[in-house]
Amino acid sequence: NAGVMQNPRHLVRRRGQEARLRCSPMKGHSHVYWYRQLPEEGLKFMVYLQKENIIDESGMPKERFSAEFPKEGPSILRIQQVVRGDSAAYFCASLGPNTGELFFGEGSRLTVL
Amino acid sequence: DAKTTQPPSMDCAEGRAANLPCNHSTISGNEYVYWYRQIHSQGPQYIIHGLKNNETNEMASLIITEDRKSSTLILPHATLRDTAVYYCIVRVARNTDKLIFGTGTRLQVFP
Repeated sequence: NAGVMQNPRHLVRRRGQEARLRCSPMKGHSHVYWYRQLPEEGLKFMVYLQKENIIDESGMPKERFSAEFPKEGPSILRIQQVVRGDSAAYFCASLGPNTGELFFGEGSRLTVL
Repeated sequence: DAKTTQPPSMDCAEGRAANLPCNHSTISGNEYVYWYRQIHSQGPQYIIHGLKNNETNEMASLIITEDRKSSTLILPHATLRDTAVYYCIVRVARNTDKLIFGTGTRLQVFP
C-alpha cells in the first residue's frame, strides 16, 4: 500500500508565476490536510478537504491560495502569483479511518526566485 | 494554539533511553495523546498514541500519568537516526479535526 504521494518534490518558480502542488492520499483515505513549513519554523495547518469539499480552510491565506480535492485525481494546492515569502515546504497528509492517525507525504519544496 | 508544553531541546547518548516529557494539563476526557516526529525536513511520522493506559509499540513507549496531565515518550535505546523534532499533540481519536503542531522538542542523539 503506497504512502501519501506528493509531487513535485521540488519546484522552482519566479515571482508572479503559479505553483501547483499535488497530493495523492493513501488508498482508501478520503480526508486530506495541507500544512506549510517555513524555513526553521514549525508546521502550520492550511486546509482540510474531503472529496469535492473544503471542510476547514482556516489556515489558508486570504488571497492567491486555493485548494481542491476532486472526485477523481489528486488534491491540488494552487498558489497564484507567487512571492518569495511563499518559499516553504508544503506537506500533505491523509487520515487513517480507524485511529485518527495522519499519514504524511515527504513534502513539496517550493523555491521562489 | 497547541495545548501541550514541551522542552525546546534535549540531548541523549546513543544507546541510552530518551525520555521526552509533555505537559497537557487542560486535556479533556475524550482526548488522546499523540506523538509524531520530524526527521530533518522529512514528512512528520506517527509514533504512538494513548488515552490513559501506558502504550508500547515497536518504536516507543508512552507513559501517561494517572491524572492525564502529563506524559512521557520513551525511546528505549536511542540511535543517531532518532535525532529529530518530537511533537506531542492532544486530540480526539477517530476525529477528523486538524492536528495542531506546537514547537516540539528537538532531540539530539550523540555518539
